Amino acid sequence: GDSVTQMEGPVTLSEEAFLTINCTYTATGYPSLFWYVQYPGEGLQLLLKATKADDKGSNKGFEATYRKETTSFHLEKGSVQVSDSAVYFCALRPTSGTYKYIFGTGTRLKVLA
Amino acid sequence: DAGVIQSPRHEVTEMGQEVTLRCKPISGHDYLFWYRQTMMRGLELLIYFNNNVPIDDSGMPEDRFSAKMPNASFSTLKIQPSEPRDSAVYFCASTRRTGYYNEQFFGPGTRLTVL
Repeated sequence: GDSVTQMEGPVTLSEEAFLTINCTYTATGYPSLFWYVQYPGEGLQLLLKATKADDKGSNKGFEATYRKETTSFHLEKGSVQVSDSAVYFCALRPTSGTYKYIFGTGTRLKVLA
Repeated sequence: DAGVIQSPRHEVTEMGQEVTLRCKPISGHDYLFWYRQTMMRGLELLIYFNNNVPIDDSGMPEDRFSAKMPNASFSTLKIQPSEPRDSAVYFCASTRRTGYYNEQFFGPGTRLTVL
């Protein structure tokens, strides 16, 4: 079945460091791909999204490119801030027509001043 | 739009008591999802509805859990009787079929503690 695998955390970085959180998926066809962010005590918020190969989603300085050949959707940011400290979830919506989204286990990011 | 609304935000109850969690999806959304989040198991989909009809309840842990959606603007998740292992944050989310990406919009969650 469809699945999402993302790197385990926690990831601890200094402010202004470069961030990469790896996400790979297993799915048929071209699923829609998402990154969600969860700040402490809050629900998940959509960070960015992509729906087809080579699409680049971007928001708030974060980017992720839909790579069909490597079945990946890695999240990157050039310079993290303390306010980026949160849990990040990679997710996909299968092409089978189901609305049963598949979420990764989440990666906790801690940015130190 | 106010977003997905959940109530209560926090619930503390004793083992054996009935617990009812409530959700109001975003107006115009025709899919509604209930999730449970714990440290041990992460984010789990419990059940989802389309046009008020349950489509997939395979994630509901056991018969103590039940969910209803009597109309397009309201859903409940009920646990009866509650047990300490039900302690978790419960999220409601909604989306609409006509959206291009069909992204899910999450509520703020209900933190349930069963003593």
